[in-house]
Amino acid sequence: AQSVTQLGSHVSVSEGALVLLRCNYSSSVPPYLFWYVQYPNQGLQLLLKYTTGATLVKGINGFEAEFKKSETSFHLTKPSAHMSDAAEYFCAVSVWNTGTASKLTFGTGTRLQVTL
Amino acid sequence: DAMVIQNPRYQVTQFGKPVTLSCSQTLNHNVMYWYQQKSSQAPKLLFHYYDKDFNNEADTPDNFQSRRPNTSFCFLDIRSPGLGDAAMYLCATSRRFEVGEQYFGPGTRLTVT
Repeated sequence: AQSVTQLGSHVSVSEGALVLLRCNYSSSVPPYLFWYVQYPNQGLQLLLKYTTGATLVKGINGFEAEFKKSETSFHLTKPSAHMSDAAEYFCAVSVWNTGTASKLTFGTGTRLQVTL
Repeated sequence: DAMVIQNPRYQVTQFGKPVTLSCSQTLNHNVMYWYQQKSSQAPKLLFHYYDKDFNNEADTPDNFQSRRPNTSFCFLDIRSPGLGDAAMYLCATSRRFEVGEQYFGPGTRLTVT
């Protein structure tokens, strides 16, 4: 079974400051890792994903995340926060299942607040 | 643009009155999922269809049912809504062999009075 832990249910940063949202995972098989963003009253949108290969992955809106197997982490960063980044961010893990649909296991989410 | 559409965006129903939420997709994806998301919580998977095969999560109440009449459409039926069923309901799709990358609709917010 897989699980995801997101440290910090609320994170507040100033506009222009570094954004760091933490995610640790647990998986008995090689994981596929994801960050999804959810704006108020909207569905989830994929920010970025790690499957295999390069451990630093870049996503939309200037976000990136680094897969660190030794630390079982997949933290999300953005060098400079913008007001429009205010949203809920979910880290998720999935694994390959032969012959069936894959499922996402979500973390509990981190609400990012960006202040002037 | 190819997308996942959910109707209605907001639904109000009375306690115990059956309600149906709909989802359609133009992505031609094989897999469709229904999630329940309560305030400030992660989405919780209720069930999914892999083509026509229905897969229920073990802890999904019997009160929740689903139909997928064709590739494009999927419905969520709540037979007797309780106050605890008030939530955002999200539909998502994915390709057959895609791992974890899901495409979400905007959701339907259900209020039970």
